[in-house]
Amino acid sequence: DIQLTQSPSFLSASVGDRVTITCRASQGISTYLAWYQQKPGKAPKLLIYGASTLQSGVPSRFSGSGSGTEFTLTISSLQPEDFATYYCQQLNSYLALTFGGGTKVEIK
Amino acid sequence: QVQLVESGGGLVKPGGSLRLSCAASGFTFSDYYMSWIRQAPGKGLEWVSYISSSTTTIYYADSVKGRFTLSRDNAKNSLYLQMNSLRAEDTAVYYCARGNRGTLVQGLHPWGQGTLVTVSS
Repeated sequence: DIQLTQSPSFLSASVGDRVTITCRASQGISTYLAWYQQKPGKAPKLLIYGASTLQSGVPSRFSGSGSGTEFTLTISSLQPEDFATYYCQQLNSYLALTFGGGTKVEIK
Repeated sequence: QVQLVESGGGLVKPGGSLRLSCAASGFTFSDYYMSWIRQAPGKGLEWVSYISSSTTTIYYADSVKGRFTLSRDNAKNSLYLQMNSLRAEDTAVYYCARGNRGTLVQGLHPWGQGTLVTVSS
């Protein structure tokens, strides 16, 4: 199975900060990567698919990039509603649609 | 609007069985891949299984293979997860989520609100 490693697992940031989260795949997955946001007690929400395509309705401060084995999720200016846990998911291997371990973004 | 509503969770003893359901509305259910994902208390997301629109393709995570069975009834706009031989480590919130028409590469959206399964004696 393809493994996804997210870093950092936890980050503390202030409103207005630029935040970058990395997701590394154990083997190449082209651009078959999605990012999700999950707030406490809520279901995850799709932010980005195809590594860089913004899901409809998602604010433009979110962006994704990368291909192959290294991917990033960037929040250009962190807003209060962005404090949450973020997960990447690979959609390249249909045998197992693995998730990364998550990155919790907390208020500094 | 597109909506997914899970049901069927609860408390079950180790070795027991449970059947989860996911009722879909607001879209042509029979066109879409569907998936189950779970989240143990305080832990990350774990993909469980997915099924193609026509049920010809079904895959399971190794952790549930041979114990869980995924099915769908396109006439009833419903997705089912039959869970047998349940273990304590199956305790989690189980989410159903919609894939895409004919594929899964565009991610899972939306997700249901989840149903809690607790396996304990």
